[in-house]
Amino acid sequence: QLQVQESGPGLVKPSETLSLTCTVSGGSLSRRSYYWGWIRQPPGKGLEWIGSISYTGSTYYNPSLKIRVTIAVDESKNQVSLKLNSVTAADTAVYYCAELTDPRGAFDMWGQGTMVTVSS
Amino acid sequence: QSVLTQPPSASGTPGQRVTISCSGSSSNIESNYVYWYQQVPGTAPKLLIYRNNQRPSGVPDRFSGSKSGTSASLAISGLRSEDEADYYCASWDDSLHGFYVFGTGSRVTVL
Repeated sequence: QLQVQESGPGLVKPSETLSLTCTVSGGSLSRRSYYWGWIRQPPGKGLEWIGSISYTGSTYYNPSLKIRVTIAVDESKNQVSLKLNSVTAADTAVYYCAELTDPRGAFDMWGQGTMVTVSS
Repeated sequence: QSVLTQPPSASGTPGQRVTISCSGSSSNIESNYVYWYQQVPGTAPKLLIYRNNQRPSGVPDRFSGSKSGTSASLAISGLRSEDEADYYCASWDDSLHGFYVFGTGSRVTVL
């Protein structure tokens, strides 16, 4: 049974870089040939897609975040990473990692999410 | 800002049918699949409907999805207390270089 778990610092200072990791267990990233995405949800608000990546490293980013976002795959660790630089309070949110079968497809398996607060 | 518009709320009594709309455009709903997600407060979203009207294994047939032109709908029949949650539509948008977009979300309340 595939499981997805996000991890990373719960507090980040303004102007710094937010770094999160999504660890996939119960199956290999590459063998599944799927895509992985990051989605966030500010407190009390809706869902926002950040970006997606294939196991080979092809990336798709939200145009509104593209200049600040980097998503990468580390096959050796079965992990997908998210880096968001120059953060502000507006980046405070629960960050989710999720699997999808193609970049335009459904997010069919989600991690539990991790809360990140941007504050000095 | 989301380009998929949903009503903020919907409600019904147990056993009733509730419908949630999702309004988009030619660059998203009309030309791509629509997905629906259910999010019980405090938990991660769960896929409810994929490819406009398909249910993943385990999703009750009380949930159904449809699409017509630039709009889509989610219907919940035989409303139950455990259906009280937030519901989001989603689709791919072909504008710019393409991006995934979620709807504004609808809170369903069981009265």
